[in-house]
Amino acid sequence: DAKTTQPTSMDCAEGRAANLPCNHSTISGNEYVYWYRQIHSQGPQYIIHGLKNNETNEMASLIITEDRKSSTLILPHATLRDTAVYYCILGSGNTGKLIFGQGTTLQVKP
Amino acid sequence: GAVVSQHPSWVICKSGTSVKIECRSLDFQATTMFWYRQFPKQSLMLMATSNEGSKATYEQGVEKDKFLINHASLTLSTLTVTSAHPEDSSFYICSAYSGAGVRGAQYFGPGTRLLVL
Repeated sequence: DAKTTQPTSMDCAEGRAANLPCNHSTISGNEYVYWYRQIHSQGPQYIIHGLKNNETNEMASLIITEDRKSSTLILPHATLRDTAVYYCILGSGNTGKLIFGQGTTLQVKP
Repeated sequence: GAVVSQHPSWVICKSGTSVKIECRSLDFQATTMFWYRQFPKQSLMLMATSNEGSKATYEQGVEKDKFLINHASLTLSTLTVTSAHPEDSSFYICSAYSGAGVRGAQYFGPGTRLLVL
C-alpha cells in the first residue's frame, strides 16, 4: 500500500503557481520523498526528490516540513503542458524501489 | 541526461505468442531496473526488480514463469511476456535506477503498449 496521501484532483490557472500537497506521516528516517508526473499515455517523468532539506531545480521546488510528515511540490508558473497526474512517493535511498499510489490529477486551465 | 528507451512502443500479437520488450538506459549505467504494468485509469503497479547479473525479484502475485526478466548488462533489461493472453494487454513501463543517495532516482522509459488479440 502507498504510504502517502494526496488529493485526488486539483485545478490551477495558467501562469499561477501550483502547490501540490502530500502527507507522509509514517515516513522513516532513510526514506526520500520523490515526485513524478505522468502525462497521458507516457512513462512517468522524474521531477524532484529530497530527504529533509528543501530542494529546487529547473522544474519545481520541493518543500518538506521540519518533521518530514508532509511536503509540497511547487510548480512556480503552471502551463497547460503541466496538466498531468502527479505522484508523491516515498522511496528507499538504497534500493530505489517505488510504490505508486493514485496521485493527484492536476488540471491547468487557461 | 538520464534517458531510458523502450522498444517496441506498440505491439499487437495473437494469443499464445511471446513478446519481448527491451529497456535501455542510454546515458548512464543502471545496476537496478524495474518493470511496471499499468491498466487504463489505474496507477502503475510494480511487477519486478531486476538486478544486473542476478535473478529478478518479483512482487507478490506476479507470475515469474510468465513474465521473464533478463538483465544482461548495466544498460539493458528485457521483459518477455510468454504465451500472452488478452488479459495481459496493458501498458508496460520500465525504469532504470541511477544509484543510491542524494542523486539517485528512477528514470522511466516511454512505455510499451501491448494488445493481445
